[in-house]
Amino acid sequence: QKEVEQDPGPLSVPEGAIVSLNCTYSNSAFQYFMWYRQYSRKGPELLMYTYSSGNKEDGRFTAQVDKSSKYISLFIRDSQPSDSATYLCARLDSGGYQKVTFGTGTKLQVIP
Amino acid sequence: DADVTQTPRNRITKTGKRIMLECSQTKGHDRMYWYRQDPGLGLRLIYYSFDVKDINKGEISDGYSVSRQAQAKFSLSLESAIPNQTALYFCATSDTGTSGDPNEQFFGPGTRLTVL
Repeated sequence: QKEVEQDPGPLSVPEGAIVSLNCTYSNSAFQYFMWYRQYSRKGPELLMYTYSSGNKEDGRFTAQVDKSSKYISLFIRDSQPSDSATYLCARLDSGGYQKVTFGTGTKLQVIP
Repeated sequence: DADVTQTPRNRITKTGKRIMLECSQTKGHDRMYWYRQDPGLGLRLIYYSFDVKDINKGEISDGYSVSRQAQAKFSLSLESAIPNQTALYFCATSDTGTSGDPNEQFFGPGTRLTVL
């Protein structure tokens, strides 16, 4: 079992919709979880990270971690065509090296 | 004003050839990483380096080698390329962690490698 599992999609939604992207993880020891966004033909870029459990909000984006169910979620409100990208969830290695393990990514398309 | 650059951006080569992918950064970061990205498999870590004298294998280092020529340069070599090394390769950098918070990794634009 991969340490971080993610539905590859693709997910297609109309502009303005609320988008929910989800990942599951297998090791309860992880404390930090991240979401990276990758546009076509570009490298990933950090969108936001959350610590342990709870929510973190940044503009239209909300990241949520549910440790009891080992679920990581990213919600996008009022989705825009510019949000069309692949979203990768990731967890931070609990050791001192801060290595990151990525999910496979979910491709999102927001249709105008 | 690219902070992390990769060369070449695209490369087509033949089985058995030696290939070097280069990465340079102007961010002043100590830590550098090489990943490959494959459809359905996501990003997987090949090698990482936390300073010029510290190089470590990632989860899929077989068939690859690296060289950290300077703080700003980290090269990935395929000594004898094979078709299943066809992938998108990314270099990334991050700052040294001084707090408990995760350090953002900054990725280059990627190199698309095709091995025939």
